[in-house]
Amino acid sequence: DTGVTQSPTHLIKTRGQQVTLRCSPISGHKSVSWYQQVLGQGPQFIFQYYEKEERGRGNFPDRFSARQFPNYSSELNVNALLLGDSALYLCASSFRTGQYNEQFFGPGTRLTVL
Amino acid sequence: GENVEQHPSTLSVQEGDSAVIKCTYSDSASNYFPWYKQELGKRPQLIIDIRSNVGEKKDQRIAVTLNKTAKHFSLHITETQPEDSAVYFCAARMDTGRRALTFGSGTRLQVQP
Repeated sequence: DTGVTQSPTHLIKTRGQQVTLRCSPISGHKSVSWYQQVLGQGPQFIFQYYEKEERGRGNFPDRFSARQFPNYSSELNVNALLLGDSALYLCASSFRTGQYNEQFFGPGTRLTVL
Repeated sequence: GENVEQHPSTLSVQEGDSAVIKCTYSDSASNYFPWYKQELGKRPQLIIDIRSNVGEKKDQRIAVTLNKTAKHFSLHITETQPEDSAVYFCAARMDTGRRALTFGSGTRLQVQP
């Protein structure tokens, strides 16, 4: 049974460009959450999706958007990239959105904005 | 919103000693507190968690304690080993609202052989 997978592993973009990050949850998991982890800090919540609906949004600008597909995979889009968007983007899946549902993290996508 | 503070930011211990990492949270509505271990270049992995109706939980060399009144919780690692070296994150989650995890800033634990 494979864990959460994310693609690409690494990405280099320039300021002003747009990026799409992808996540495939563990089979059977219906909830996907996205987190941004800046070097030396803890992950910060961006979005949560469950059954293709947005269930939560963190304090991120509208340049950040996401969606979940019928197969429960998810994409995170970031427009008009800034230098400060450089970070490790983590996807986490869980069976449901219940408070005690363990979140399993993917390996992350390392985004560098030049 | 919820805010989680974590101390210390770095911790160095000798192999075999104990290590303690402390976190405080701000929102009394939080009632689930997981701890994650993140090795260099790897994904965060859950090592232990505690619910608000429990004061302490143990799993072999790892234990977590929770003081709801004071709004703080701690991770205790006994008989540390070099493979315990990693960054540890505490987190908190509420029962209501978006139920996202709010993480602390992390503690880099170095176990000296």
